[in-house]
Amino acid sequence: DAMVIQNPRYQVTQFGKPVTLSCSQTLNHNVMYWYQQKSSQAPKLLFHYYDKDFNNEADTPDNFQSRRPNTSFCFLDIRSPGLGDAAMYLCATSGTSGRAYTQYFGPGTRLTVL
Amino acid sequence: GQSLEQPSEVTAVEGAIVQINCTYQTSGFYGLSWYQQHDGGAPTFLSYNGLDGLEETGRFSSFLSRSDSYGYLLLQELQMKDSASYFCAVRDQRPAAGNKLTFGGGTRVLVKP
Repeated sequence: DAMVIQNPRYQVTQFGKPVTLSCSQTLNHNVMYWYQQKSSQAPKLLFHYYDKDFNNEADTPDNFQSRRPNTSFCFLDIRSPGLGDAAMYLCATSGTSGRAYTQYFGPGTRLTVL
Repeated sequence: GQSLEQPSEVTAVEGAIVQINCTYQTSGFYGLSWYQQHDGGAPTFLSYNGLDGLEETGRFSSFLSRSDSYGYLLLQELQMKDSASYFCAVRDQRPAAGNKLTFGGGTRVLVKP
């Protein structure tokens, strides 16, 4: 089945220690998104890639970076995690034709910062 | 700025009907979507309205009035498995630019026996 995969599902890191979360997709979608979701809150868009074009949200901290080496993979790098960065990180994809209005979410990576 | 308002919580019994309203103020509007999220799970797409009117998908229906900047999700014949959070989301970017979504705060639906 075509899908969005995130690894790891759970990540524990120490305060200030860089961490990388990964996302892969078999849907061959042009657009990939990274969201941060804290408990009982809505997903908050951090950035997205349209093909190789990177689009950062204005309020995304510089501490968050992303890479998309190819269509299938996208990475979220947190350079110096703080306690406030503990959250669920969701990767999503969408196409640009047909049901392009639909975003397909991965299962998420829950990040704990000690 | 962008804002979407929806009730924070709704409680209903099995078999009942629940309507979740969503009002929005966004700089751009290309459609209203609804997503369901169970605790600990990922959001999953439920419904989309690009034009005014009602869209029906099984037990779930969604409505949009662009002139009123308002939409709703209707959950019929509620089942226990419908206990989840429901988010409205505005597609506030033209499709060719990437289908970006802005989410409302979510409505937690609790279904009781």
